[in-house]
Amino acid sequence: EVQLVESGGGLVQPGGSLRLSCAASGFIFSDYFIEWVRQAPGKGLEWVGRSRTKDASYITDYAASVRGRYTISRDYLQNSLYLQMNSLKTEDTAVYYCVRESEGGKRFWGQGSLVTVSS
Amino acid sequence: QTVVTQEPSFSVSPGGTVTLTCGLNSGSVSTTYYPSWYRQTPGQAPSTLIYNTETRSSGVPDRFSGSILGNKAALTIAGAQADDESDYYCMVYMGNGLWVFGGGTKVTVL
Repeated sequence: EVQLVESGGGLVQPGGSLRLSCAASGFIFSDYFIEWVRQAPGKGLEWVGRSRTKDASYITDYAASVRGRYTISRDYLQNSLYLQMNSLKTEDTAVYYCVRESEGGKRFWGQGSLVTVSS
Repeated sequence: QTVVTQEPSFSVSPGGTVTLTCGLNSGSVSTTYYPSWYRQTPGQAPSTLIYNTETRSSGVPDRFSGSILGNKAALTIAGAQADDESDYYCMVYMGNGLWVFGGGTKVTVL
């Protein structure tokens, strides 16, 4: 059974940092694009970024809104994906979903982790 | 900056048919954008309905279909049921490794 379990969310002050984790199981981790998608309270979905497959050298891609502040990394031994978030702003407050992508848009979603940026 | 456009809301009668669209503020959506559709009910994570323009995800009833209509991607829900009430999001691939969501359409069945 495919599972994606996010952890690490919580309350952080503006300007602070936080690292989210996504533990993957039930599939060959290196064969899939793994993404982060977020949703601010009461708002729509926003694609944050992704880690490509092993064959694509795990290259990372980022949305313009987070590029330079967020870093996505993989630990292929732990089958985990990470999202390091720096210089956080109040508008980064959202539920962050870990998502497996394949076949041109077929996505499997984790249950999400809430990040609140507030003083 | 490219914006992916969706109707903010749609209402459909039980048993009726509704077509949601997904466009670009500049240009046309084609199959090369790999348009996909996701459904989300309150408090839940999204789930995939349609990917790669028209491929239904496993377990999705054939009442849901994806297509390209004119210069937009489209999601058609036929024979609408009460539990089709959800938010529906489209997503397209913009190239250079980047994906973008539309703003979502809230569908009401009444």
